[in-house]
Amino acid sequence: GEDVEQSLFLSVREGDSSVINCTYTDSSSTYLYWYKQEPGAGLQLLTYIFSNMDMKQDQRLTVLLNKKDKHLSLRIADTQTGDSAIYFCAETIQGGKLIFGQGTELSVKP
Amino acid sequence: DAEITQSPRHKITETGRQVTLACHQTWNHNNMFWYRQDLGHGLRLIHYSYGVHDTNKGEVSDGYSVSRSNTEDLPLTLESAASSQTSVYFCASSESQGMETQYFGPGTRLLVL
Repeated sequence: GEDVEQSLFLSVREGDSSVINCTYTDSSSTYLYWYKQEPGAGLQLLTYIFSNMDMKQDQRLTVLLNKKDKHLSLRIADTQTGDSAIYFCAETIQGGKLIFGQGTELSVKP
Repeated sequence: DAEITQSPRHKITETGRQVTLACHQTWNHNNMFWYRQDLGHGLRLIHYSYGVHDTNKGEVSDGYSVSRSNTEDLPLTLESAASSQTSVYFCASSESQGMETQYFGPGTRLLVL
């Protein structure tokens, strides 16, 4: 069945770049998403990439998509303490449903 | 501004009781979804709906039910709460099947004792 895998933890220093990786299984996914969850809050849509794109940049965020390897990454430039959160990768499957990864907890140390 | 809300935000109940969690969206979205979030599992889909009177089972639907009598609301009912249903529950909505971006509510923390 469909599956999305992420590493569980990432720790970086303030000002460094963070790279969160994700692998997915459904090659027919039309959109792939990154959501951010701050403590005690819901999921906030961070960015998404359409499956016919290789890269999308949005201010400090860069999304890279390698369809051949079914690999998605999120790079956060100049990481700040306010970026500390859990980041979820998600792929779309038939019927507009989303399959989520387990989430990567990003810890930013001053 | 359009939004999606959930109530209650926190709930404590006892095993065997019926519990209903509310979800209300003002975007006029056709699609609505219920997820549960547990450590080590990410978000798992419980039930979803593509429109009024339409409901479908997700990955972990046992012990849960939903109904869709209007566009705005998709209440989630736990027929007989079990300790295994202690979790954080999120509701989400999206415009249509052609645009899958889902927008999430703030969540409901449910503790079943």
